[in-house]
Amino acid sequence: DAGVIQSPRHEVTEMGQEVTLRCKPISGHDYLFWYRQTMMRGLELLIYFNNNVPIDDSGMPEDRFSAKMPNASFSTLKIQPSEPRDSAVYFCASRVTGTGFQGYTFGSGTRLTVV
Amino acid sequence: AQSVTQPDIHITVSEGASLELRCNYSYGATPYLFWYVQSPGQGLQLLLKYFSGDTLVQGIKGFEAEFKRSQSSFNLRKPSVHWSDAAEYFCAVGEKAGTALIFGKGTTLSVSS
Repeated sequence: DAGVIQSPRHEVTEMGQEVTLRCKPISGHDYLFWYRQTMMRGLELLIYFNNNVPIDDSGMPEDRFSAKMPNASFSTLKIQPSEPRDSAVYFCASRVTGTGFQGYTFGSGTRLTVV
Repeated sequence: AQSVTQPDIHITVSEGASLELRCNYSYGATPYLFWYVQSPGQGLQLLLKYFSGDTLVQGIKGFEAEFKRSQSSFNLRKPSVHWSDAAEYFCAVGEKAGTALIFGKGTTLSVSS
C-alpha cells in the first residue's frame, strides 16, 4: 500500500500563475479530502468528495480555487490566478466508507510558495 | 457548528517529564475525537481516537487521552516524554454521521534535554 500520494512535494510559482496540485488516494477509498495548513489558520478543510462527487466545498476560499476528481484514483486542486496569500501546505486525505474515521490517511502534503 | 480549540500554541517539556496537551471542543452531540501528530515535513499520523465507551483511551507511542464530557475536553497525555516526541499535535473532532474532520490549530511540542 503506497498510501496517499501527492505531487509535487514543493511548488514555487509567481503571483498570477496557475498552480495545479495532484492527489492519488489509496486504492478502494471512496472519500477524498483537501486541507490547507497555514500558521495563522491551522488545518482548514477546503473540499471533499465521495465517489468522485464534490460533497462540501464550503471551505474553498474563493473562485480562484477549484477542485476536480475525474476518477476514483485522481484529484486535482487548482489555483488560478495564484496569490502570495495562497502560500501554504496543502494536504490530501482519503478514507473508505465503513471504517468511520479510522481509515483517514493523509498524504505528505504539497508546500506551495507564491512569490 | 463544530470547533476545536487548542489553547497552547507552543509547549516545551524536559525529556523524561510528563506531558499534557489541552483540547476543547464544541459540538452538540457526542463527538468523535482524535489526536494526530505531524513531524516536520510529514503528513498527519493518527495517535488515538475516541468514539464511545471507556473515556480513557490508549494510543500509539505511549500516548493516552481522556474524554471529559462535562468539560468538553479531550486532553492528550504522556507520562514520560522522549526527544522524538517533538512535533506538532492536532486535536480533531468529527460528526458521528458526517465524514470530515475539523482540526484545532495545533500545539507545537519542543523537548529539551
